[in-house]
Amino acid sequence: KQEVTQIPAALSVPEGENLVLNCSFTDSAIYNLQWFRQDPGKGLTSLLLIQSSQREQTSGRLNASLDKSSGRSTLYIAASQPGDSATYLCAVLSGSARQLTFGSGTQLTVLP
Amino acid sequence: NAGVTQTPKFQVLKTGQSMTLQCAQDMNHEYMSWYRQDPGMGLRLIHYSVGAGITDQGEVPNGYNVSRSTTEDFPLRLLSAAPSQTSVYFCASSYFPPSTGRSSSYNSPLHFGNGTRLTVT
Repeated sequence: KQEVTQIPAALSVPEGENLVLNCSFTDSAIYNLQWFRQDPGKGLTSLLLIQSSQREQTSGRLNASLDKSSGRSTLYIAASQPGDSATYLCAVLSGSARQLTFGSGTQLTVLP
Repeated sequence: NAGVTQTPKFQVLKTGQSMTLQCAQDMNHEYMSWYRQDPGMGLRLIHYSVGAGITDQGEVPNGYNVSRSTTEDFPLRLLSAAPSQTSVYFCASSYFPPSTGRSSSYNSPLHFGNGTRLTVT
């Protein structure tokens, strides 16, 4: 059974800092990996989707990388801003049922 | 373009009551799904649908029913509410179902509603 782990559970950084969020998964036979953002009391917003054949995806100040062989993905946020404060979740699509398995998220606080 | 709309936003039920959580999307998405989010447990899939008239069970289906009579709507029914069903429920959709095995389906991100916070006393 696929398991997805995100460490740390919470992170606090000063504004302007570059930061990396980590996601690891136990079964490397994945179809894709998605990073989401969740604001308090809201649903999840898709940030980046990396297909299994890709190594990275970029959107603005966000860059996500994927290393399937080691079962790891990172989300790099450049020049962090207070508006980036949210919980970031990763999810992997895998298995014969092709279902998404979510991590528990990293709660990011960017201090002004 | 409203995206994925869930109603109600909040609901309190007594044990044994039944109710329906509504979900509608206006993006002509084939795939719709229901998740519950609990502290420390992440999101878990309850039921999903790959098209009108087709539904299937996810990881935690017990106590819930679904139907998909139209492409747009995917209601979730709680048959007899229990305190263990206290949670935040999210509806999500994507253009292609991942289970089709088409390469395009693996490039189809999920779109989420804003959730329904349910408390069962």
